[in-house]
This record gives sequence, C-alpha cells and structure tokens, in this order.
Amino acid sequence: DTGVSQNPRHKITKRGQNVTFRCDPISEHNRLYWYRQTLGQGPEFLTYFQNEAQLEKSRLLSDRFSAERPKGSFSTLEIQRTEQGDSAMYLCASSLLSYNEQFFGPGTRLTVL
Amino acid sequence: QQPVQSPQAVILREGEDAVINCSSSKALYSVHWYRQKHGEAPVFLMILLKGGEQKGHDKISASFNEKKQQSSLYLTASQLSYSGTYFCGTETTGKLIFGQGTTLQVKP
Repeated sequence: DTGVSQNPRHKITKRGQNVTFRCDPISEHNRLYWYRQTLGQGPEFLTYFQNEAQLEKSRLLSDRFSAERPKGSFSTLEIQRTEQGDSAMYLCASSLLSYNEQFFGPGTRLTVL
Repeated sequence: QQPVQSPQAVILREGEDAVINCSSSKALYSVHWYRQKHGEAPVFLMILLKGGEQKGHDKISASFNEKKQQSSLYLTASQLSYSGTYFCGTETTGKLIFGQGTTLQVKP
C-alpha cells in the first residue's frame, strides 16, 4: 500500500499524559499537513511542512502541540499534558506540491479520559 | 475565514440532482472538494484552480467563480454511493481551510 499511513489508529490516554502520533506520507510528496477533526465538523488545519521545514502553524494551536518532520520524510505530532478537549480525530495528509490534491491517511482517534 | 457551505444537509432519491455551494470572504487561489463517509478519511474529488475551467468526471462536476469567490459542486443522477459529507477546502497561502460540510443522503 503506497498511501498515507498513520499510527496508532486509536489512542486512549489519561488527562495530563503526553501522546505522540506518527504519519508516513506518500514517498515522493513534499508537503505534509496535520488536521484535527471533531464530530460534525470539517478538518481543522493545524500545521504543514514543505520537506523538513514547518511553514505554518495555526494560531489556534496551543503550545502543548508540536510537530516535526525530520529529513522531510515521516512526521510526528506530539501533544503534551493532554486535556479532554484534545479528544478528536487527528488526520495527516500529503501532497506533491501546493495547489495539488491532498491524500489523507486513515487518522488517529484520540480519546482523553 | 472558514468558507461557508450551503445547504447543510440534503436528502435525495436515487437519480436526482444536487448542488452544493461554497463561498469565501477571502480571495482564493484554488478550491478543493472532498467527500467523507462515516468513519473514513476524506477522499479527494477535484480541484479548481484560479483561472481554470469547470471540471468534472463521471456525473460530478464543479465550477469556480473567482470574482464572487464561490464554488459549486454539481451531482447529477445521484447514486447510493454518493452519500456522505462533502467538504470544500479553500486554499490561500498554501494551506486548506475546510468548510463545515454538507451531508448528502441518497435513498433508494
């Protein structure tokens, strides 16, 4: 399968714990995006990378959220000191260039108890 | 800055047509359309670029009016498989901002 993959698919954690998600984009894609989606809403932009450079981070994003894309390949999204409001589906997408279609991974569903 | 979609929900019988609209208050470089089924990731339908023409494949097509900063998705002769939530995504500075979605239900 050469699509976008995300791990883990599900994560249940207790409030205050740190969690890390991984995204493996389509291999030749330069751009990688992270979104958060809650029930009944569209995907909400979090951040994106061009190769290893993080080009933009949503102003709505707390300092508890950080993302990396070392060597321009896979990416990780870390949430520190999780809160119940962080419960959501976290989606990763990749594209070859800007103004290109984005291919989404299956997502990681986070539940914070 | 989130695009506004209308209607919020549509119920159709198989074979009927539907139009979903997406409007933005900001100048747009491109509009993306995605469909998401329950419990699945969004799937790309089509992209319309500034200065581009109307696009379509099979019985789904879309238009992009740059001056009005609006896009419309046209679904003709709907099939049961068209059911899902449709999102438009507007691209300005390299990132996509998605609308709140339009839920489409096609009944036999």
